[in-house]
Amino acid sequence: DGGITQSPKYLFRKEGQNVTLSCEQNLNHDAMYWYRQDPGQGLRLIYYSQIVNDFQKGDIAEGYSVSREKKESFPLTVTSAQKNPTAFYLCASSNDASYYGYTFGSGTRLTVV
Amino acid sequence: AQSVTQLGSHVSVSEGALVLLRCNYSSSVPPYLFWYVQYPNQGLQLLLKYTTGATLVKGINGFEAEFKKSETSFHLTKPSAHMSDAAEYFCAVSEGRGNNRLAFGKGNQVVVIP
Repeated sequence: DGGITQSPKYLFRKEGQNVTLSCEQNLNHDAMYWYRQDPGQGLRLIYYSQIVNDFQKGDIAEGYSVSREKKESFPLTVTSAQKNPTAFYLCASSNDASYYGYTFGSGTRLTVV
Repeated sequence: AQSVTQLGSHVSVSEGALVLLRCNYSSSVPPYLFWYVQYPNQGLQLLLKYTTGATLVKGINGFEAEFKKSETSFHLTKPSAHMSDAAEYFCAVSEGRGNNRLAFGKGNQVVVIP
């Protein structure tokens, strides 16, 4: 079955360390997105990519980095510069989001210890 | 730019009662509208969407929503709440074809009281 896979489900990081969250899709979607979710704040866009080897900053890109070397993959790195990284991270993909909406992964919960 | 307003972060409803979640949007062009549901520690799942045509759209799990252009609204309803409806619900809007991003509301956490 086609879908979008995020791994790991839970991730613990020590302060000062970088960590990379994986997002893989086999839906043949061109566009991919990373969102951060905090209680009561809804979804906030971190980065998005419309095509391979191209990506744009979203509303809260500081302290994060991404790459898009393959159509299927859009990993997110949470760097030590991110002041408050503990959150639930959601990856999504789409072809023509305005008509079909997004397909979401099941999320990664990152906790800084 | 488009925006979405969902009032009331937490909504309590008795089992068997009507579920009503309000969504208002602002958009400079005819919008495409979506409702998503999120269960704890999971991703978002599409409930229903409005693109064109019939303004009353039916989705999964007995939910439906009506697009009212004059009120810039897309409220979500279900006639009879079930315990399994306890989840967070998000409304989203896109400004027509070719715009590949959605704007989300802040969500409604629905609690179903037995």
